[in-house]
Amino acid sequence: ETGVTQTPRHLVMGMTNKKSLKCEQHLGHNAMYWYKQSAKKPLELMFVYNFKEQTENNSVPSRFSPECPNSSHLFLHLHTLQPEDSALYLCASSQKHRSGNTIYFGEGSWLTVV
Amino acid sequence: AQKVTQAQTEISVVEKEDVTLDCVYETRDTTYYLFWYKQPPSGELVFLIRRNSFDEQNEISGRYSWNFQKSTSSFNFTITASQVVDSAVYFCALSEEGRDDKIIFGKGTRLHILP
Repeated sequence: ETGVTQTPRHLVMGMTNKKSLKCEQHLGHNAMYWYKQSAKKPLELMFVYNFKEQTENNSVPSRFSPECPNSSHLFLHLHTLQPEDSALYLCASSQKHRSGNTIYFGEGSWLTVV
Repeated sequence: AQKVTQAQTEISVVEKEDVTLDCVYETRDTTYYLFWYKQPPSGELVFLIRRNSFDEQNEISGRYSWNFQKSTSSFNFTITASQVVDSAVYFCALSEEGRDDKIIFGKGTRLHILP
């Protein structure tokens, strides 16, 4: 059983829809991440939150809006997406040390934009 | 700049054969961390191992073993007596001292174990 759970696992949305991806970690970690995995592309870091504060926004378009209400929950709000945004969105968490922290991933949310 | 190269895009082997997945990294730091993750078709990236740059001892965990060689900047992963359940995409990754948020992943190697 994974310590990081993501819902929904699959989502199909139109370009004018607004939807959200949810992530919850049960590992007591203090950092959470969103990654995007597209076909034929390396994993891309999108956002990082440390102690609920966003510390990294990797030039992500504003149609992706993260929210971290507490250190256990992370959301990715989606609006007016494009078909090229179709991908696997992976949430992850870690216990932030000085360095070398191990990142643990959820099962991902498969997003299709039509 | 840091970089991870997994030159093998896709590998197919017959069950029970041994297989080695290559990983070559680049970093200017003397302190860094290397990782391997497994991604089965379900999508989740499963953490397999973390190794810091000061620990060059090879590691064995069941049928899995890792060979870390700083001289060649490589961190290769071997599966002994492969099984169909080993079929997945395997990612090698690197993070540098003080920049652990920026873990850099290779492009992955897709491994097919044929029955």
